Amino acid sequence: NAGVTQTPKFQVLKTGQSMTLQCAQDMNHEYMSWYRQDPGMGLRLIHYSVGAGITDQGEVPNGYNVSRSTTEDFPLRLLSAAPSQTSVYFCASSSRGGEKLFFGSGTQLSVL
Amino acid sequence: LAKTTQPISMDSYEGQEVNITCSHNNIATNDYITWYQQFPSQGPRFIIQGYKTKVTNEVASLFIPADRKSSTLSLPRVSLSDTAVYYCLVGGPYSGSARQLTFGSGTQLTVLP
Repeated sequence: NAGVTQTPKFQVLKTGQSMTLQCAQDMNHEYMSWYRQDPGMGLRLIHYSVGAGITDQGEVPNGYNVSRSTTEDFPLRLLSAAPSQTSVYFCASSSRGGEKLFFGSGTQLSVL
Repeated sequence: LAKTTQPISMDSYEGQEVNITCSHNNIATNDYITWYQQFPSQGPRFIIQGYKTKVTNEVASLFIPADRKSSTLSLPRVSLSDTAVYYCLVGGPYSGSARQLTFGSGTQLTVLP
């Protein structure tokens, strides 16, 4: 049972480039979310989804897009990367929002 | 959204009991309180969850007073491997705040030999 899988683990981008961070879960969870964590800081919520076809903004949504076409996948798209988006990104899921969150291992992103 | 406040850091010695308190003054009726542990370069890991009074599992206890405006995570007999950042989260499956599960700044626990 893989749990929450994030790819890639590391990525370096140039300013202005776009890319997609992948997140997949195999636990049939309704709730999925994306967080970013800057060095020495807590986690900040970017976007979340309570089910396929339903997404909403979190605390820091600017510069990111998400979609939820299936229960399993919740990709995060950076539209035009900026140095301020250098961070570690975590995807999480739970059977329902507010219950036990399962986290992926994270994606370390550097924007030059 | 229920905002949480925790101490920034705490030190303890191996074998001691550690209590970390989280303040959440505007907790909603349907909100649960959940604690997570995070090691460097890893995602947070669930420790314990409760609604009121006391909850205990194999790794920790969670104490919640009647007014639910705070909660205390208790770690019995800590070891060096318990050095981590601890977060409390407030939200619930039936409340509006369930949708936005926001983390506070967390508490860095350092266990000394």
